[in-house]
Amino acid sequence: GAVVSQHPSWVICKSGTSVKIECRSLDFQATTMFWYRQFPKQSLMLMATSNEGSKATYEQGVEKDKFLINHASLTLSTLTVTSAHPEDSSFYICRMTDLYTEAFFGQGTRLTVV
Amino acid sequence: AQSVTQLDSHVSVSEGTPVLLRCNYSSSYSPSLFWYVQHPNKGLQLLLKYTSAATLVKGINGFEAEFKKSETSFHLTKPSAHMSDAAEYFCVVRGNTDKLIFGTGTRLQVFP
Repeated sequence: GAVVSQHPSWVICKSGTSVKIECRSLDFQATTMFWYRQFPKQSLMLMATSNEGSKATYEQGVEKDKFLINHASLTLSTLTVTSAHPEDSSFYICRMTDLYTEAFFGQGTRLTVV
Repeated sequence: AQSVTQLDSHVSVSEGTPVLLRCNYSSSYSPSLFWYVQHPNKGLQLLLKYTSAATLVKGINGFEAEFKKSETSFHLTKPSAHMSDAAEYFCVVRGNTDKLIFGTGTRLQVFP
C-alpha cells in the first residue's frame, strides 16, 4: 500500500533555532498535504492544508510565519518551525492524499525545544 | 459543520473481554467516518472506515464499527481484547475539502 515517510522521527533543538520536518510520498503523487499538531494527551489539530504548487492555507490561530510549509513537488512537503520555543514542543504529523486513494499519515515527529 | 464526540476519555478492560469505544458524530450530510489507532510515540494507523456502503464495517485486528444514522453513532467494538490493543483510539469525520476532524481520543487500557 501507499507509504508516507516522515523524518526525523524525533528532534531536540535549542530555543530560537529552526527545525525542518519532511514528508515524502513513496509510491503515489500527493496533490494535497495536511499538517497536524498533537500536544501531550490531546487530539490532533489541523494546522494547515497545502496543494502542490500553491500557498498553504492555515487554520485559525496558526502563525504562518512561524510554521512555514512548502509543498514544492507532488512527493515532498516540508514543515519548518522557525525560531522554536518550548511551547512549540509537540508531536507533528503529516497526511498526504492524491484524492484517489485513502490518505496516509506519516509516522510523526516529536519535537522537543529546550 | 462536522464534529465527533468520543464519550469516554479512558476505557479499561481485562484481556479477553469485549471492547466498546463510543463515538457520536454531527454532520449536515452523509458523513465519512473513520477510526484510527495510535500507539505510544507512533503515527496513526487506520482501523476502519465508513463511506456510505455497508453500515457494519469490519476493520483490522478484529475491530468493527456500526454506523447508526438514527443514533448518529459510530461505536468501535471488538469481541475479545488483547494486550496489544492498548493504545489511543480516535474517531474521525471527514469534512469538506478532505479535512479530517478528530475526536479527543479514548485511551484503552487492557489488564491481564
